[in-house]
Amino acid sequence: GAVVSQHPSRVICKSGTSVKIECRSLDFQATTMFWYRQFPKKSLMLMATSNEGSKATYEQGVEKDKFLINHASLTLSTLTVTSAHPEDSSFYICSVTSVDTQYFGPGTRLTVL
Amino acid sequence: QKEVEQNSGPLSVPEGAIASLNCTYSDRGSQSFFWYRQYSGKSPELIMFIYSNGDKEDGRFTAQLNKASQYVSLLIRDSQPSDSATYLCAVGGEGTSYGKLTFGQGTILTVHP
Repeated sequence: GAVVSQHPSRVICKSGTSVKIECRSLDFQATTMFWYRQFPKKSLMLMATSNEGSKATYEQGVEKDKFLINHASLTLSTLTVTSAHPEDSSFYICSVTSVDTQYFGPGTRLTVL
Repeated sequence: QKEVEQNSGPLSVPEGAIASLNCTYSDRGSQSFFWYRQYSGKSPELIMFIYSNGDKEDGRFTAQLNKASQYVSLLIRDSQPSDSATYLCAVGGEGTSYGKLTFGQGTILTVHP
Protein backbone atom coordinates (compact mmCIF):
# COMPACT_ATOMS: atom_id res chain seq x y z
CA GLY A 1 0.00 0.00 0.00
CA ALA A 2 0.92 3.66 -0.26
CA VAL A 3 3.49 4.96 2.17
CA VAL A 4 3.11 8.63 1.29
CA SER A 5 0.03 10.53 0.16
CA GLN A 6 -0.34 13.97 -1.38
CA HIS A 7 -3.31 16.25 -1.75
CA PRO A 8 -4.49 17.53 -4.11
CA SER A 9 -3.32 15.39 -6.99
CA ARG A 10 -4.03 18.15 -9.47
CA VAL A 11 -4.73 21.85 -9.13
CA ILE A 12 -5.34 24.65 -11.59
CA CYS A 13 -5.19 28.20 -10.33
CA LYS A 14 -5.03 31.75 -11.57
CA SER A 15 -1.81 33.71 -11.58
CA GLY A 16 -1.26 35.56 -8.31
CA THR A 17 -3.09 33.10 -6.09
CA SER A 18 -1.55 30.82 -3.48
CA VAL A 19 -1.77 27.05 -3.51
CA LYS A 20 -1.23 24.66 -0.61
CA ILE A 21 -0.05 21.10 -1.17
CA GLU A 22 -0.15 18.52 1.61
CA CYS A 23 2.18 15.57 2.04
CA ARG A 24 1.35 12.87 4.56
CA SER A 25 3.46 10.00 5.79
CA LEU A 26 1.01 7.14 6.25
CA ASP A 27 2.99 4.32 7.78
CA PHE A 28 5.44 6.00 10.10
CA GLN A 29 6.45 9.23 11.71
CA ALA A 30 8.77 11.38 9.69
CA THR A 31 10.86 14.11 11.25
CA THR A 32 12.16 14.96 7.80
CA MET A 33 10.39 15.15 4.48
CA PHE A 34 11.66 16.40 1.16
CA TRP A 35 10.03 18.43 -1.60
CA TYR A 36 10.99 17.97 -5.24
CA ARG A 37 9.86 19.64 -8.42
CA GLN A 38 9.80 18.18 -11.91
CA PHE A 39 9.30 20.23 -15.04
CA PRO A 40 8.03 18.52 -18.21
CA LYS A 41 10.55 16.12 -19.69
CA LYS A 42 13.06 16.99 -16.98
CA SER A 43 14.28 15.10 -13.98
CA LEU A 44 13.42 15.72 -10.35
CA MET A 45 15.11 18.58 -8.56
CA LEU A 46 15.25 18.85 -4.79
CA MET A 47 13.66 22.07 -3.59
CA ALA A 48 13.83 21.87 0.17
CA THR A 49 14.06 19.74 3.27
CA SER A 50 11.11 19.96 5.61
CA ASN A 51 12.03 19.57 9.28
CA GLU A 52 9.40 18.83 11.91
CA GLY A 53 9.30 21.59 14.47
CA SER A 54 11.89 23.79 12.83
CA LYS A 55 12.52 25.82 9.71
CA ALA A 56 12.85 24.18 6.36
CA THR A 57 16.17 24.27 4.56
CA TYR A 58 16.09 25.32 0.94
CA GLU A 59 18.32 24.39 -1.95
CA GLN A 60 20.25 27.04 -3.77
CA GLY A 61 18.06 29.05 -6.09
CA VAL A 62 14.77 28.18 -4.39
CA GLU A 63 12.99 31.21 -2.92
CA LYS A 64 11.96 30.47 0.64
CA ASP A 65 9.45 33.31 0.71
CA LYS A 66 7.73 31.95 -2.36
CA PHE A 67 7.67 28.30 -1.38
CA LEU A 68 6.53 28.20 2.22
CA ILE A 69 6.99 24.91 4.02
CA ASN A 70 5.35 23.95 7.28
CA HIS A 71 6.05 20.64 9.04
CA ALA A 72 3.78 20.92 12.05
CA SER A 73 3.47 17.25 12.88
CA LEU A 74 5.41 14.05 12.38
CA THR A 75 3.13 12.94 9.58
CA LEU A 76 2.29 16.13 7.72
CA SER A 77 4.29 18.66 5.71
CA THR A 78 2.71 21.36 3.59
CA LEU A 79 4.14 23.33 0.71
CA THR A 80 2.47 26.62 -0.16
CA VAL A 81 3.27 28.22 -3.47
CA THR A 82 2.60 31.89 -2.88
CA SER A 83 1.60 34.33 -5.62
CA ALA A 84 1.87 31.58 -8.19
CA HIS A 85 2.91 32.39 -11.73
CA PRO A 86 2.78 30.32 -14.91
CA GLU A 87 6.47 29.46 -14.56
CA ASP A 88 5.61 27.71 -11.27
CA SER A 89 3.55 25.18 -13.19
CA SER A 90 5.20 21.88 -12.46
CA PHE A 91 4.86 18.46 -10.85
CA TYR A 92 5.54 18.74 -7.11
CA ILE A 93 6.51 15.55 -5.32
CA CYS A 94 7.32 14.93 -1.68
CA SER A 95 9.36 12.09 -0.27
CA VAL A 96 9.88 10.43 3.07
CA THR A 97 12.84 8.49 4.39
CA SER A 98 12.11 5.07 5.83
CA VAL A 99 14.93 3.10 7.46
CA ASP A 100 17.08 2.71 4.39
CA THR A 101 15.27 4.12 1.43
CA GLN A 102 13.14 6.93 0.08
CA TYR A 103 9.48 6.76 -0.80
CA PHE A 104 7.82 9.30 -3.02
CA GLY A 105 4.30 10.57 -2.86
CA PRO A 106 2.05 10.40 -5.92
CA GLY A 107 2.75 14.02 -6.79
CA THR A 108 0.69 17.16 -7.32
CA ARG A 109 0.43 18.66 -10.76
CA LEU A 110 0.12 22.42 -10.54
CA THR A 111 -1.02 24.47 -13.50
CA VAL A 112 -1.01 28.24 -13.16
CA LEU A 113 -3.01 30.10 -15.78
CA GLN B 1 28.01 20.75 -7.82
CA LYS B 2 26.89 17.19 -7.55
CA GLU B 3 26.11 15.60 -10.89
CA VAL B 4 24.50 12.37 -11.91
CA GLU B 5 24.72 11.31 -15.52
CA GLN B 6 22.80 8.54 -17.20
CA ASN B 7 23.45 7.00 -20.57
CA SER B 8 21.53 8.84 -23.18
CA GLY B 9 18.47 7.12 -24.55
CA PRO B 10 16.09 6.21 -25.65
CA LEU B 11 16.94 2.55 -25.23
CA SER B 12 14.93 0.02 -27.17
CA VAL B 13 15.12 -3.71 -26.54
CA PRO B 14 13.00 -6.65 -27.68
CA GLU B 15 10.81 -8.49 -25.24
CA GLY B 16 12.78 -11.09 -23.31
CA ALA B 17 16.12 -9.35 -23.76
CA ILE B 18 18.36 -7.82 -21.12
CA ALA B 19 18.18 -4.06 -20.74
CA SER B 20 21.26 -2.35 -19.34
CA LEU B 21 21.06 1.10 -17.79
CA ASN B 22 24.11 3.01 -16.65
CA CYS B 23 24.78 5.91 -14.33
CA THR B 24 27.85 7.81 -13.15
CA TYR B 25 28.08 10.30 -10.33
CA SER B 26 30.53 13.02 -9.44
CA ASP B 27 30.43 13.15 -5.62
CA ARG B 28 32.77 10.57 -4.08
CA GLY B 29 31.05 11.09 -0.73
CA SER B 30 27.82 9.60 -2.03
CA GLN B 31 26.66 6.69 0.07
CA SER B 32 23.28 5.60 -1.22
CA PHE B 33 22.19 4.75 -4.73
CA PHE B 34 18.71 4.24 -6.04
CA TRP B 35 16.96 3.23 -9.21
CA TYR B 36 13.44 4.50 -9.76
CA ARG B 37 11.00 3.82 -12.55
CA GLN B 38 8.68 6.58 -13.66
CA TYR B 39 5.72 6.18 -15.95
CA SER B 40 4.47 9.21 -17.83
CA GLY B 41 2.58 11.56 -15.55
CA LYS B 42 3.28 9.49 -12.46
CA SER B 43 5.58 9.76 -9.48
CA PRO B 44 8.79 7.70 -9.36
CA GLU B 45 8.49 4.25 -7.87
CA LEU B 46 11.43 2.57 -6.22
CA ILE B 47 12.95 -0.41 -7.98
CA MET B 48 16.11 -0.99 -5.99
CA PHE B 49 18.63 0.61 -3.71
CA ILE B 50 22.23 -0.36 -3.16
CA TYR B 51 24.82 0.87 -0.68
CA SER B 52 27.77 -1.51 -0.99
CA ASN B 53 30.08 -2.34 -3.85
CA GLY B 54 29.07 -5.33 -5.90
CA ASP B 55 25.81 -6.74 -7.15
CA LYS B 56 22.38 -6.80 -5.62
CA GLU B 57 19.65 -8.89 -7.18
CA ASP B 58 15.90 -8.66 -6.77
CA GLY B 59 13.85 -10.78 -9.13
CA ARG B 60 14.55 -9.68 -12.69
CA PHE B 61 16.54 -6.67 -11.56
CA THR B 62 20.22 -6.50 -10.67
CA ALA B 63 21.93 -3.35 -9.46
CA GLN B 64 25.68 -3.05 -9.64
CA LEU B 65 27.78 -0.52 -7.76
CA ASN B 66 31.43 0.36 -8.19
CA LYS B 67 32.35 3.24 -5.90
CA ALA B 68 35.93 3.40 -7.16
CA SER B 69 34.67 4.08 -10.66
CA GLN B 70 31.69 6.09 -9.38
CA TYR B 71 29.42 3.94 -11.44
CA VAL B 72 26.10 2.27 -10.82
CA SER B 73 24.05 0.22 -13.23
CA LEU B 74 20.75 -1.59 -13.47
CA LEU B 75 20.17 -4.75 -15.47
CA ILE B 76 16.66 -5.86 -16.31
CA ARG B 77 16.45 -9.49 -17.38
CA ASP B 78 13.61 -10.93 -19.44
CA SER B 79 12.39 -7.44 -20.27
CA GLN B 80 8.64 -7.03 -20.63
CA PRO B 81 6.62 -4.38 -22.46
CA SER B 82 5.36 -3.26 -19.04
CA ASP B 83 8.96 -2.30 -18.20
CA SER B 84 8.73 0.49 -20.76
CA ALA B 85 9.22 3.66 -18.73
CA THR B 86 11.77 6.28 -17.78
CA TYR B 87 14.42 4.98 -15.40
CA LEU B 88 15.92 7.43 -12.96
CA CYS B 89 19.21 6.97 -11.18
CA ALA B 90 19.42 8.84 -7.88
CA VAL B 91 22.33 9.36 -5.52
CA GLY B 92 22.23 10.34 -1.87
CA GLY B 93 24.75 11.33 0.74
CA GLU B 94 25.17 10.29 4.34
CA GLY B 95 24.13 11.71 7.66
CA THR B 96 22.06 14.83 7.21
CA SER B 97 22.39 14.51 3.44
CA TYR B 98 21.02 10.99 3.40
CA GLY B 99 17.56 11.81 2.12
CA LYS B 100 18.64 14.52 -0.29
CA LEU B 101 18.76 12.85 -3.65
CA THR B 102 20.37 14.07 -6.84
CA PHE B 103 18.74 12.60 -9.89
CA GLY B 104 20.07 11.83 -13.32
CA GLN B 105 18.20 13.01 -16.35
CA GLY B 106 16.61 9.62 -16.86
CA THR B 107 16.77 7.00 -19.58
CA ILE B 108 13.68 6.15 -21.57
CA LEU B 109 13.36 2.41 -22.06
CA THR B 110 11.07 0.87 -24.63
CA VAL B 111 10.52 -2.88 -24.69
CA HIS B 112 8.88 -3.91 -27.93
CA PRO B 113 6.98 -7.18 -28.35
